[in-house]
Amino acid sequence: EDKVVQSPLSLVVHEGDTVTLNCSYEVTNFRSLLWYKQEKKAPTFLFMLTSSGIEKKSGRLSSILDKKELSSILNITATQTGDSAIYLCAVASSYGNKLVFGAGTILRVKS
Amino acid sequence: ETGVTQSPTHLIKTRGQQVTLRCSSQSGHNTVSWYQQALGQGPQFIFQYYREEENGRGNFPPRFSGLQFPNYSSELNVNALELDDSALYLCASSSYLAGRPYEQYFGPGTRLTVT
Repeated sequence: EDKVVQSPLSLVVHEGDTVTLNCSYEVTNFRSLLWYKQEKKAPTFLFMLTSSGIEKKSGRLSSILDKKELSSILNITATQTGDSAIYLCAVASSYGNKLVFGAGTILRVKS
Repeated sequence: ETGVTQSPTHLIKTRGQQVTLRCSSQSGHNTVSWYQQALGQGPQFIFQYYREEENGRGNFPPRFSGLQFPNYSSELNVNALELDDSALYLCASSSYLAGRPYEQYFGPGTRLTVT
């Protein structure tokens, strides 16, 4: 059964800090890994990483896929209070159309 | 703004009742997936609809059913509601590409409370 584990479960940082969120996965025939930010309800798409695109960057956020270690990290530099949210990691396999999600990392940025 | 809309925003039902949730996909997308998110957990896949047919299903009982319409909008129906069905129901819209990675964009969700 496909599985995604995220760590830490939660963390609190101060504005300006850099944070690294972790995601490890077990999936049959990996196709892609996706990161989402969930503030109130709707998860907002951040990045999709695949075998042909293992690094993505957008502003202060960046993500890397390590296919050998079956893991990914999401980095946020110079954190702001607006970065406070739940960050979800999900994987998709080639054998199905579902996304399998981890439980998420709750990030709180204090001013 | 993802363009995916869901209705209603929230509702309260009694155990044993039936409920219908609705989702309009983002313009240009042909696929809708439904997820259930219990408090403190990640979303769990219920099923996906592509070209009006079910295109994959998660570990949910048959009382969870769905439809997709020619305009790609979709409904999720849940019969014989149980207390454990209380959750946030998320709809995700995408352009399905067989065998290729594709992104899924989520709507704001429907918060269902079963009492």
